[in-house]
Amino acid sequence: KNEVEQSPQNLTAQEGEFITINCSYSVGISALHWLQQHPGGGIVSLFMLSSGKKKHGRLIATINIQEKHSSLHITASHPRDSAVYICAVRSISTDKLIFGTGTRLQVFP
Amino acid sequence: SQTIHQWPATLVQPVGSPLSLECTVEGTSNPNLYWYRQAAGRGLQLLFYSVGIGQISSEVPQNLSASRPQDRQFILSSKKLLLSDSGFYLCAFRVKGLGRNSPLHFGNGTRLTVT
Repeated sequence: KNEVEQSPQNLTAQEGEFITINCSYSVGISALHWLQQHPGGGIVSLFMLSSGKKKHGRLIATINIQEKHSSLHITASHPRDSAVYICAVRSISTDKLIFGTGTRLQVFP
Repeated sequence: SQTIHQWPATLVQPVGSPLSLECTVEGTSNPNLYWYRQAAGRGLQLLFYSVGIGQISSEVPQNLSASRPQDRQFILSSKKLLLSDSGFYLCAFRVKGLGRNSPLHFGNGTRLTVT
């Protein structure tokens, strides 16, 4: 079992829909990151969370430390949101980043 | 502003040939530098990281090596490529002094196909 699991693996949506991507992890962490990988391959950091909730534009990220779970929400989704969304955690014990395998999101007009 | 350049974007090389992928950073000094590989269906795997010129740490045993000849230059190399070296390689940097959980800034990646 991977230490970082994302669900779903693939997600399709119609423009305007509310999107939720989930990340569960099994190790103690100091922080959790959400990343966006564009179709060309480049990766952009979206959020770093250690507790609570963060919002940036139409993106909202939440984390529940007790349940070892984080969600990334996209409100009013748009085709330009189509990308792979990657969850990564920094392990307290090894101090290294562990990456999930990503969720591929396609938003259709 | 801080930027990272990685090239080439795609590369097709025969088995047994050498490899050199280059990455340069602009807009910051003495960054931490990283090489990652992304295989299909797997999370990013850290290959090498560097905290300074000439300082390279290897995370996994493999057919590849890394070098940092200048402060903002990071090179991934191989003397003889294997078929299993095919994959998507990403260079990244982190600005020092902002904490271990400050953002990683990634290049656009190199898709390597070994034939």
